[in-house]
Amino acid sequence: DAMVIQNPRYQVTQFGKPVTLSCSQTLNHNVMYWYQQKSSQAPKLLFHYYDKDFNNEADTPDNFQSRRPNTSFCFLDIRSPGLGDAAMYLCATSTFSGGRGSYEQYFGPGTRLTVT
Amino acid sequence: GQNIDQPTEMTATEGAIVQINCTYQTSGFNGLFWYQQHAGEAPTFLSYNVLDGLEEKGRFSSFLSRSKGYSYLLLKELQMKDSASYLCAVRGDSWGKLQFGAGTQVVVTP
Repeated sequence: DAMVIQNPRYQVTQFGKPVTLSCSQTLNHNVMYWYQQKSSQAPKLLFHYYDKDFNNEADTPDNFQSRRPNTSFCFLDIRSPGLGDAAMYLCATSTFSGGRGSYEQYFGPGTRLTVT
Repeated sequence: GQNIDQPTEMTATEGAIVQINCTYQTSGFNGLFWYQQHAGEAPTFLSYNVLDGLEEKGRFSSFLSRSKGYSYLLLKELQMKDSASYLCAVRGDSWGKLQFGAGTQVVVTP
């Protein structure tokens, strides 16, 4: 089945220790997104890639970086995690061709990050 | 500013109907989505509305009024597995990019 995969599902890191979360997709979608979701809150978009073009949200902290080496993979790097970065991180994908359409986003299962 | 409002929680009994309202104020509008999210899991796509009116998909229906900045998700014949958070999301003035509401937790009781 075509899907969005995130690894690991649970990640524990220490305060200030860099961590990388990964996302892969078999849907061949050209757009990939990273969201941060804290308990009982809305998913908050951090950035997205349209093909190789990186688009950062204005309020995404510099501490968060991303890489997309190819269509299938996308990484979220947190350079110096703080306690406030503990959250669920969701990867999503969609197609977009510029015409009419729903272009709904397909989400991976998420990585729950704990910072100690 | 941009705002998407939906109730925090709703409770209903198995077999009943529940209507979840969503109001939005965004700088543009290119469609409204409803997603279902079970605790600790990823959101899954339920419905998409871009024109005014009702879209029906099995037990779930979604309605949109663009002039009122209003949508609702109707869940019929509630089942226990429908207990989840339901997220309203608007695609505004940027292609593809969604702004989510905080979600409505629906609790289905026997």
